[in-house]
Amino acid sequence: DGGITQSPKYLFRKEGQNVTLSCEQNLNHDAMYWYRQDPGQGLRLIYYSQIVNDFQKGDIAEGYSVSREKKESFPLTVTSAQKNPTAFYLCASSPGTSGSDTQYFGPGTRLTVL
Amino acid sequence: GQNIDQPTEMTATEGAIVQINCTYQTSGFNGLFWYQQHAGEAPTFLSYNVLDGLEEKGRFSSFLSRSKGYSYLLLKELQMKDSASYLCAVRDGDYKLSFGAGTTVTVRA
Repeated sequence: DGGITQSPKYLFRKEGQNVTLSCEQNLNHDAMYWYRQDPGQGLRLIYYSQIVNDFQKGDIAEGYSVSREKKESFPLTVTSAQKNPTAFYLCASSPGTSGSDTQYFGPGTRLTVL
Repeated sequence: GQNIDQPTEMTATEGAIVQINCTYQTSGFNGLFWYQQHAGEAPTFLSYNVLDGLEEKGRFSSFLSRSKGYSYLLLKELQMKDSASYLCAVRDGDYKLSFGAGTTVTVRA
């Protein structure tokens, strides 16, 4: 089955710890994205990557880091510098970044920092 | 920055029609998307508009007016399973997606 997987579905961490969220896709998509969703707010873009070994900051990149060493994988690290890390994190991918290229989302990881 | 507005909540009866409006002001425009998101789940793609007019796909239709910065999603013959949040998203001049906060639709029997 082709798709996007994120693990784990729920993650709990203590304040001050870094945590890495995984995102894998087998759709052969070039572009991948990380969003954060908070109650009552739209999805906000954290980082995106249009091609392997390259990525750009989104609107709220502070306190986060990413890597894109393989086409299939785009892990997100939430560092201790992120002030309010508790949120629902969504990974997405698309064939490319042209106008009609639809983004498809993974099931999400709900991170709770205690 | 980008500004995308849609109503927070709407309620309708099973079998009825509901129209969800979305207005936007973005730096550049390269298409408008509608997604459906059930609580605690990932958004799923519903429709894409880049030219003015109506796109129909089964019970769901989406309309776009670029000159007015306006779109709507029309849900016909509402079913209980249509209770969800509907997200309007605009692809800007840099080809990034900006999302509205979402409209929660509640379908009542």
